[in-house]
Amino acid sequence: DVKVTQSSRYLVKRTGEKVFLECVQDMDHENMFWYRQDPGLGLRLIYFSYDVKMKEKGDIPEGYSVSREKKERFSLILESASTNQTSMYLCASSLGGGKVYEQYFGPGTRLTVT
Amino acid sequence: TQLLEQSPQFLSIQEGENLTVYCNSSSVFSSLQWYRQEPGEGPVLLVTVVTGGEVKKLKRLTFQFGDARKDSSLHITAAQPGDTGLYLCAGPHTNAGKSTFGDGTTLTVKP
Repeated sequence: DVKVTQSSRYLVKRTGEKVFLECVQDMDHENMFWYRQDPGLGLRLIYFSYDVKMKEKGDIPEGYSVSREKKERFSLILESASTNQTSMYLCASSLGGGKVYEQYFGPGTRLTVT
Repeated sequence: TQLLEQSPQFLSIQEGENLTVYCNSSSVFSSLQWYRQEPGEGPVLLVTVVTGGEVKKLKRLTFQFGDARKDSSLHITAAQPGDTGLYLCAGPHTNAGKSTFGDGTTLTVKP
């Protein structure tokens, strides 16, 4: 079974803090993703990585950066957290190539910025 | 831009009822995935459909891919409270590697 783990299930941070969200997958997947999910807005892609050290901006990258130094690990960084970044953050991974893009999600991190 | 529209947005039914939810697009997809997300958890992959007209069954859940590969449906027979959750459909985005997600159908099954 594919397993995607996220470093925290719940996180409370203060405005202006630097926040690190970590994601690890154990299936040697090439692709990794960070999404945020807000009521009424669906899943929105923040960043996508298709290989180590490779990244691509998603639909809402502003205020976020990412790091992928190892294939299994993909980190999301909030450089200076703001209250509008309070959200559910979901990490996912998938195999590269082919026409079937099955994604495997972690359990999510509920981040509250006060 | 490839869009996936899901309907209905919300569905509340009694235990034992049958239901169908839909995922529609004006674009052709090479495959479609269905996910279920329980409150406070990440989405879990249920099934992938690849061939036009394909039907897949997963216990009480039946998934169908349209002949033209532009739409899909999920039918649940004799719904149970454990079926409660957000059902998402997704398909390959025009940008290789990424997926387009629908906004989902929130299903509530009351005991």
